[in-house]
Amino acid sequence: DAGVTQSPTHLIKTRGQQVTLRCSPKSGHDTVSWYQQALGQGPQFIFQYYEEEERQRGNFPDRFSGHQFPNYSSELNVNALLLGDSALYLCASSRGDRGYTFGSGTRLTVV
Amino acid sequence: ILNVEQSPQSLHVQEGDSTNFTCSFPSSNFYALHWYRWETAKSPEALFVMTLNGDEKKKGRISATLNTKEGYSYLYIKGSQPEDSATYLCAFDSNYQLIWGAGTKLIIKP
Repeated sequence: DAGVTQSPTHLIKTRGQQVTLRCSPKSGHDTVSWYQQALGQGPQFIFQYYEEEERQRGNFPDRFSGHQFPNYSSELNVNALLLGDSALYLCASSRGDRGYTFGSGTRLTVV
Repeated sequence: ILNVEQSPQSLHVQEGDSTNFTCSFPSSNFYALHWYRWETAKSPEALFVMTLNGDEKKKGRISATLNTKEGYSYLYIKGSQPEDSATYLCAFDSNYQLIWGAGTKLIIKP
């Protein structure tokens, strides 16, 4: 039983570019949440998708957007990248009981 | 603004010793408190999900307690082993999002 799969594992982008990160949830899970973790800090909630809609959003600008597909997989898009967007991006899937399963993350470096 | 605090920030423990660390969280609008164990380059591993005041949970040598009225949880590790070296994070579950502490980095010295 595959857990949460994220791709790519590492990514280097230039300021101003756009990036798309992908997440496949654990089998049986229907909800996907995205988190950003900067160095030395706990993860920060970006948003959660359920039934292909954004159900809850954290304190992130509109440059951060997402999508959930009918097979429950999800994408995180970040436009107009800033140096400060360099971080580890974590995807977590869940279903109902609030037990979250995390992927190992995508390390984004903006130069 | 909801804030979750963990202490200490890091901890060096001799192999075989027992240890504990703290997570403080808001005492209002509580749904659940999660503990995760996170090793570098791996996924965060769920340890416990705690929902009731007075909850005590145990998984092998690791256990946790919960006090929702005063807003704290303790994680205990008995007889530390080198494989326990990791960062331990707690997360306050509120309205579909997890609000995380910055973690306690545990290093076990052989």
